[in-house]
Amino acid sequence: DAGITQSPRYKITETGRQVTLMCHQTWSHSYMFWYRQDLGHGLRLIYYSAAADITDKGEVPDGYVVSRSKTENFPLTLESATRSQTSVYFCASSERRGGQDTQYFGPGTRLTVL
Amino acid sequence: GQNIDQPTEMTATEGAIVQINCTYQTSGFNGLFWYQQHAGEAPTFLSYNVLDGLEEKGRFSSFLSRSKGYSYLLLKELQMKDSASYLCAGRKSNYQLIWGAGTKLIIKP
Repeated sequence: DAGITQSPRYKITETGRQVTLMCHQTWSHSYMFWYRQDLGHGLRLIYYSAAADITDKGEVPDGYVVSRSKTENFPLTLESATRSQTSVYFCASSERRGGQDTQYFGPGTRLTVL
Repeated sequence: GQNIDQPTEMTATEGAIVQINCTYQTSGFNGLFWYQQHAGEAPTFLSYNVLDGLEEKGRFSSFLSRSKGYSYLLLKELQMKDSASYLCAGRKSNYQLIWGAGTKLIIKP
């Protein structure tokens, strides 16, 4: 049971290039999230999705695009990468059960933009 | 804003007890999560408090006071493997979590 996976785990790219980070979960969770984690900051929500074809902006959405055509996949695209997007990106998923909706995280993608 | 505040770093001794505090604005959150994150790894779920009081899970306990905007994570019988960052997150009504910057816990022998 793979749970939630992300690919690639590491990526180096150049300013201006388009990059897509993949996220796949096998639990059929309704909710999926994309976060970035930078030193000195808490996890910051980029985008989230309540179900297939339903997405919404989080705290820091500028420069990112998401889609969710299937429940299990939630790719994140950096349309034109900038150095400020160098970060560790985490995907998470959750399902509401008994009033609790714990988020479970993928292993992360470490992205460097040169 | 809806800030979540927690100490940046704490140091404790193996075998001892440590309490990591988390404070937040009292409005806007209807639950409080604690996660553990080892260096270079993903956050993993530790506890969730929605009602006031103490929830105990083995060596780890979490406390919430909604009226005071205060929570703490209590770790007993510290082990070297408990060296990690501990993240506090407030749950909003729209399922979003607002995260603190995390507390790095250093365990010394």
